[in-house]
Amino acid sequence: GAVVSQHPSWVICKSGTSVKIECRSLDFQATTMFWYRQFPKQSLMLMATSNEGSKATYEQGVEKDKFLINHASLTLSTLTVTSAHPEDSSFYICSASPSGSTDTQYFGPGTRLTVL
Amino acid sequence: AQSVTQPDIHITVSEGASLELRCNYSYGATPYLFWYVQSPGQGLQLLLKYFSGDTLVQGIKGFEAEFKRSQSSFNLRKPSVHWSDAAEYFCAVGGPPIKAAGNKLTFGGGTRVLVKP
Repeated sequence: GAVVSQHPSWVICKSGTSVKIECRSLDFQATTMFWYRQFPKQSLMLMATSNEGSKATYEQGVEKDKFLINHASLTLSTLTVTSAHPEDSSFYICSASPSGSTDTQYFGPGTRLTVL
Repeated sequence: AQSVTQPDIHITVSEGASLELRCNYSYGATPYLFWYVQSPGQGLQLLLKYFSGDTLVQGIKGFEAEFKRSQSSFNLRKPSVHWSDAAEYFCAVGGPPIKAAGNKLTFGGGTRVLVKP
């Protein structure tokens, strides 16, 4: 149980385009989902907290107009990287907390974004 | 502000030998502590967690961790490693979940474990 999927697993896009990444909780409902960014051989940095039906809460230094987050249902959150630039290339990871057990996060496999 | 330090960036261990990964945290209240493992091409998998109670916590895959409040530590151990334990291990700290915000986690830098045959 507690499976989280991400789609796509990897994506290559041209500079200036937008890319949408989906995060789904497959076997539980998640009131809260989180988006992280992981640089090569580094740790995870929290970008934002996504709550179903409300606006996301962004961490300091994260541009909310660049990284658009939508949490439209209890099983789906999306991250859209707008006007992508090469410096946005990274590994993006989502996690979800079950609605009945918000003390633990379950992680998706991640999405590798490469911006050319 | 909360923080996590994993002093060892890399650890190499022989298969069958014991393993201990260090984790020190800084948190202003009672911490919620986690260990995750990240294998290549896979997502982070929860090994174990500590919220309260018995300070020695058993997890999956034969791992255990001990919470020592006086040392602000939550070290992960395994008595006998298998080649499949080669991966990146992350310690994380958070607080009690806030209803609307869940449980924000701060991760350590990670420790990469290499297993020699």
